Amino acid sequence: EVQLAQSGAEVKKPGESLRISCKASGYSFASHWITWVRQMPGKGLEWMGKINPSDSDKNYSPTFQGRVTFSVDRSLNTAYMQWSSLKASDTAMYYCARVSETDYDDVFDYWGQGTLVFVSS
Amino acid sequence: SHVLTQPPSVSVAPGQTARITCGGNNIGSKIVHWYQQEPGRAPVLVVYDDGDRPSGIPERFSGSNSGNTATLTINRVEAGDEADYYCQVWDFSDDHLVVFGGGTKLTVL
Repeated sequence: EVQLAQSGAEVKKPGESLRISCKASGYSFASHWITWVRQMPGKGLEWMGKINPSDSDKNYSPTFQGRVTFSVDRSLNTAYMQWSSLKASDTAMYYCARVSETDYDDVFDYWGQGTLVFVSS
Repeated sequence: SHVLTQPPSVSVAPGQTARITCGGNNIGSKIVHWYQQEPGRAPVLVVYDDGDRPSGIPERFSGSNSGNTATLTINRVEAGDEADYYCQVWDFSDDHLVVFGGGTKLTVL
């Protein structure tokens, strides 16, 4: 069974750093890109970017370029997203999802349960 | 980048048909996917490639895409279908970016 298990909720102060994780199981981790999606409180889904676990190739949305960094540890089948200096505006739920190819396109077919990040002084 | 416009809300009585639209400039030339997000839950893929269903998704869910509008149709709506629904495309003209619609809250009356 394909599963993406995300790390637990975080409460941080502005300026602090943070790394959240997304552990994959039930499939070949290197065979599917992982994507990250933000959902601010009461708002819609925002695509942040994606990373290829096989070679760490990355693609960031311009909105998030320079604000977050994606990485993977293939030995742990885990993808990470990190911030070096959090802002209150980073308060949101963050989802990882697996990217799969269909006959015509790429879709996000399995999602993690989400990691809630709360940033406040 | 491509902009996808969804109505904020759609209301329908149980047993009726819900149609959720996703508008975009010449969206018919793109491939549209739809995600369902129940309150407090992660999104779930319900329709991909305009109108295909992943395994486990009821046949009541279908999709179409033409011109400037893609549509998610839910037949014989049930109380459990109450959720937010998001359309999504890849904008390959803009560095392979992903675009989500703003989401539609489906209320089952």
